[in-house]
Amino acid sequence: QQQVKQSPQSLIVQKGGIPIINCAYENTAFDYFPWYQQFPGKGPALLIAIRPDVSEKKEGRFTISFNKSAKQFSLHIMDSQPGDSATYFCAASLIRGNKLVFGAGTILRVKS
Amino acid sequence: NAGVTQTPKFQVLKTGQSMTLQCAQDMNHEYMSWYRQDPGMGLRLIHYSVGAGITDQGEVPNGYNVSRSTTEDFPLRLLSAAPSQTSVYFCASKLAGGREQYFGPGTRLTVT
Repeated sequence: QQQVKQSPQSLIVQKGGIPIINCAYENTAFDYFPWYQQFPGKGPALLIAIRPDVSEKKEGRFTISFNKSAKQFSLHIMDSQPGDSATYFCAASLIRGNKLVFGAGTILRVKS
Repeated sequence: NAGVTQTPKFQVLKTGQSMTLQCAQDMNHEYMSWYRQDPGMGLRLIHYSVGAGITDQGEVPNGYNVSRSTTEDFPLRLLSAAPSQTSVYFCASKLAGGREQYFGPGTRLTVT
């Protein structure tokens, strides 16, 4: 069974829009929640990450919102650009980032 | 630094053939892991290693073997390839005390 559920599967927004990708997890022992960005033909690369003692983290145009009681977290991309078009994966892990459990991924297309 | 490197980039196998996917990193990372990526399923952990001589199973280990004789290398062996092993395989590494995993560029494997 999928321990991290991600939605939507795909998303199309206009340039400047704010795509939001949502994830929900089951295991309350998870202690690290990263988001990875993957371009076609490349490996995933860490975009931003959060720990469960923080409710929000911003890095540039990317923000993670974290709701511990609901066991949900989401990625917001402010002022989205065509160069943000990629597949985004949420993930969760135990033990300091070992054994990542990934969501199914969201294919984002930003139209210019 | 070359980071995490993987060879080959592409491979086609017939059912029953064996092969080894190579992974190397030059960052002196203790932790290394193998994931497979399938559409709609995200990335799933196959095997991982926390240091030379130490390996353990991930979420989907059946049909795959690993060994870790050096810090730098972590090969993945398919003993008898099956069509269900058609996938994109990613190797990743990180420092033992760190959280960010660095992914290689991937190997696209097709089993006919």
